[in-house]
Amino acid sequence: GAVVSQHPSWVICKSGTSVKIECRSLDFQATTMFWYRQFPKQSLMLMATSNEGSKATYEQGVEKDKFLINHASLTLSTLTVTSAHPEDSSFYICSAQGRDPGYEQYFGPGTRLTVT
Amino acid sequence: KQEVTQIPAALSVPEGENLVLNCSFTDSAIYNLQWFRQDPGKGLTSLLLIQSSQREQTSGRLNASLDKSSGRSTLYIAASQPGDSATYLCAVASGTSYGKLTFGQGTILTVHP
Repeated sequence: GAVVSQHPSWVICKSGTSVKIECRSLDFQATTMFWYRQFPKQSLMLMATSNEGSKATYEQGVEKDKFLINHASLTLSTLTVTSAHPEDSSFYICSAQGRDPGYEQYFGPGTRLTVT
Repeated sequence: KQEVTQIPAALSVPEGENLVLNCSFTDSAIYNLQWFRQDPGKGLTSLLLIQSSQREQTSGRLNASLDKSSGRSTLYIAASQPGDSATYLCAVASGTSYGKLTFGQGTILTVHP
C-alpha cells in the first residue's frame, strides 16, 4: 500500500522560533498533498492544499505567511510554522494523493508540535 | 459548503456486540467517502473507501454502506472486540477536482471486556 511518512514525529520549540515539518510519499508520486491540523479532542481541519510546483491554496482563516508550505517535488512537501506561539501547539497531519482515479488520500502518522 | 456529522459522539458497548456508526453529509456531490480509525495521539488508519458509484465496501468485520442521495453512510462493526476501541472518523471528498476531504467530529468507541 501507499506509505506516507512525516518527520519529526514530535517537536518542542520555544515561542518565536520556526519549525519545519516534512511529509514524504515513499512509494508513489503525490501530485497533491494536504496539511491538516488537529486540536485535542477535535477532528481534523484542512489547512492548505499544495500541488507540486505551484503555490499552496490555503483554507479560510489560515495565515499563509505563518504556515509556509513548499511542495518542491512529487514526493516531498514541507510545512514551516514561522514565529511559533503556544496557540500553534497542535497535531499536524499530512496526506498525499496520487494520480489514481479514486482520489484516495494516504495519511502520514502526524507530528506533535508543542510550543513553550 | 460541505458539512459532515457523525452520530453518536461516543459509544460504549460490551465485547461481542454488533454496532453501527452513522455519518451524514450535506452535499451529495461527492467523489468518495472514507472511514478512518484514530488511536489516541496517533495518525489515521484508513478502514474503508467507498467510491461515489458504489453502495458498500467490506473488510473483515467491517462493512460500510453509502447512500449518496440521502447523504448518509453507516459503518457496521460485527462482533466488537476491545481492540476496536478508538475514534472513528468519517470523511467525504468533494468540491474541487482533486477532492477536498471534510471530516466529521468522530465517534469515540469503547468496547469493554
